[in-house]
Amino acid sequence: QKEVEQDPGPLSVPEGAIVSLNCTYSNSAFQYFMWYRQYSRKGPELLMYTYSSGNKEDGRFTAQVDKSSKYISLFIRDSQPSDSATYLCAMSKAAGNKLTFGGGTRVLVKP
Amino acid sequence: GAVVSQHPSWVICKSGTSVKIECRSLDFQATTMFWYRQFPKQSLMLMATSNEGSKATYEQGVEKDKFLINHASLTLSTLTVTSAHPEDSSFYICSAPRTDYEQYFGPGTRLTVT
Repeated sequence: QKEVEQDPGPLSVPEGAIVSLNCTYSNSAFQYFMWYRQYSRKGPELLMYTYSSGNKEDGRFTAQVDKSSKYISLFIRDSQPSDSATYLCAMSKAAGNKLTFGGGTRVLVKP
Repeated sequence: GAVVSQHPSWVICKSGTSVKIECRSLDFQATTMFWYRQFPKQSLMLMATSNEGSKATYEQGVEKDKFLINHASLTLSTLTVTSAHPEDSSFYICSAPRTDYEQYFGPGTRLTVT
């Protein structure tokens, strides 16, 4: 069993819809959580980062962490075709430490 | 703007030659950097942790003598693929933590070995 599980998709939504992404993890040692967006043949782009359980909002993005359930989510409001990409959750056990990634979810936002 | 750069972005080399990839943190110092490898339609696979002033730490299954890592300064880490073969063709990406919570990736280097 992988330490971090993420549905590979693809997830197809119409433009303007809310995109809902999530990851589950098995190791309670993970403390720092990040979401990245990756376009084909590009490096991952950091979207959100959180440490504690709860919600964090930044523009169209909301990240949720539930450490008791070992479950994290990312919501993208008012989705745009330019949001079509692969979304990766990542987490680490200590500050500035190596990241463990989910497998990534491919998202397609249709105009 | 970008906070981590990589050079080159794309390199083609002949089998048996060596290739060096540079990773730089642009506006912060990084005592630690990470090197990943990514195959098409797959997630990132950590290869090694680059430590400024000391030896790199390699993940299980990664050949230390083939993938040489040097963390020359607080803003530069290099990955040298020695005696490259076609199976080493891949997308190589570095990352660096800027704060306890933020870790940024470079744009990646596409290596093709012919």
